Amino acid sequence: EDQVTQSPEALRLQEGESSSLNCSYTVSGLRGLFWYRQDPGKGPEFLFTLYSAGEEKEKERLKATLTKKESFLHITAPKPEDSATYLCAVRHVGGYNKLIFGAGTRLAVHP
Amino acid sequence: DGGITQSPKYLFRKEGQNVTLSCEQNLNHDAMYWYRQDPGQGLRLIYYSQIVNDFQKGDIAEGYSVSREKKESFPLTVTSAQKNPTAFYLCASSMGQADTEAFFGQGTRLTVV
Repeated sequence: EDQVTQSPEALRLQEGESSSLNCSYTVSGLRGLFWYRQDPGKGPEFLFTLYSAGEEKEKERLKATLTKKESFLHITAPKPEDSATYLCAVRHVGGYNKLIFGAGTRLAVHP
Repeated sequence: DGGITQSPKYLFRKEGQNVTLSCEQNLNHDAMYWYRQDPGQGLRLIYYSQIVNDFQKGDIAEGYSVSREKKESFPLTVTSAQKNPTAFYLCASSMGQADTEAFFGQGTRLTVV
């Protein structure tokens, strides 16, 4: 069964304390892995797309990496404004464009 | 500005009523989607449409209906058959190729009163 699992469910960091969020997936034939940021009461905001193992993407304090079974979202020296829920999603071969989402990681960065 | 507009932001429904959520996009995207988000759960796909006048059921289509008469519009009707409709509803669109990202609207929060 196609599945996306994110860990941890929640993460509390002090400002400047770097960490990583995990997204593990089991799908047949990955067509893309997507990271989104979601603020409370808002729609998800697109961050990154990764297509193949070994690929990396960076944006400000965020860096996403991909292996054959999982992706990591590394947050370097986070600031309070990085507090949000981070969602991971995958598309797979034969999935008819369907995005399969994980439950997300709620990140809180305290000053 | 290009984007996806959902309306209304908040919607209250009495039991037994049908309600329609609006979703409009000006990104010239072929594919559009409706997701439902409940606390502590990932987004779940309700319906999606690859092209005008065509749509497919997602994982939780029971109690919902859609139409795709125009490329820009993909309204969702929550019918009285949906037993637990209180949720946050998100509309998204993408270019249609299977490896492109989807962009989301700001959501509609539906509450049954």
